[in-house]
Amino acid sequence: NAGVTQTPKFRVLKTGQSMTLLCAQDMNHEYMYWYRQDPGMGLRLIHYSVGEGTTAKGEVPDGYNVSRLKKQNFLLGLESAAPSQTSVYFCASHHRTGAGELFFGEGSRLTVL
Amino acid sequence: EDQVTQSPEALRLQEGESSSLNCSYTVSGLRGLFWYRQDPGKGPEFLFTLYSAGEEKEKERLKATLTKKESFLHITAPKPEDSATYLCAVQASPGGYQKVTFGIGTKLQVIP
Repeated sequence: NAGVTQTPKFRVLKTGQSMTLLCAQDMNHEYMYWYRQDPGMGLRLIHYSVGEGTTAKGEVPDGYNVSRLKKQNFLLGLESAAPSQTSVYFCASHHRTGAGELFFGEGSRLTVL
Repeated sequence: EDQVTQSPEALRLQEGESSSLNCSYTVSGLRGLFWYRQDPGKGPEFLFTLYSAGEEKEKERLKATLTKKESFLHITAPKPEDSATYLCAVQASPGGYQKVTFGIGTKLQVIP
């Protein structure tokens, strides 16, 4: 099983450009999350989804949008990238009855110049 | 505000030298405390969930314990392959995973 797959793994953007990160999971999980990880800080939740067609804001949602049109996919969009969005982004998922076990992707490293 | 503090930030051990990592937390109501392992360039990998004070869980050379204020990850006779960053996280109650707060992690290096 592939688990949670993120694309792309690396991307360099110029300030003001837009892009979309794709997360795909093959475990039939209801819940999906987007986190960012920065040096000296713990993982911070950007947006999350509790099921197909639903999305909600996390701790640091500004500058990002998300969509969950299909249960297995969760997209994270940056409409106008800023240097402050340089980070490593992780997608995660778990089953509705999952007892604490988040399944993470391998991450997408984004640099905004 | 929920908080998770991990110590030390970095730890260097000789192979076979046992030690413990600390995770201190403050949370309005604890639903669960989680330990994850993260290798360089990879996403975190789940290790344990602890739910109540006094609970312990083991996996190979790792043992996690929980009190009302902190959790310890004990590493017995570590091997170089145990080198990684270990993350602690707490989930507040009531709340789903949007209520999970992660620590910065402890970077463990085990030297042969």
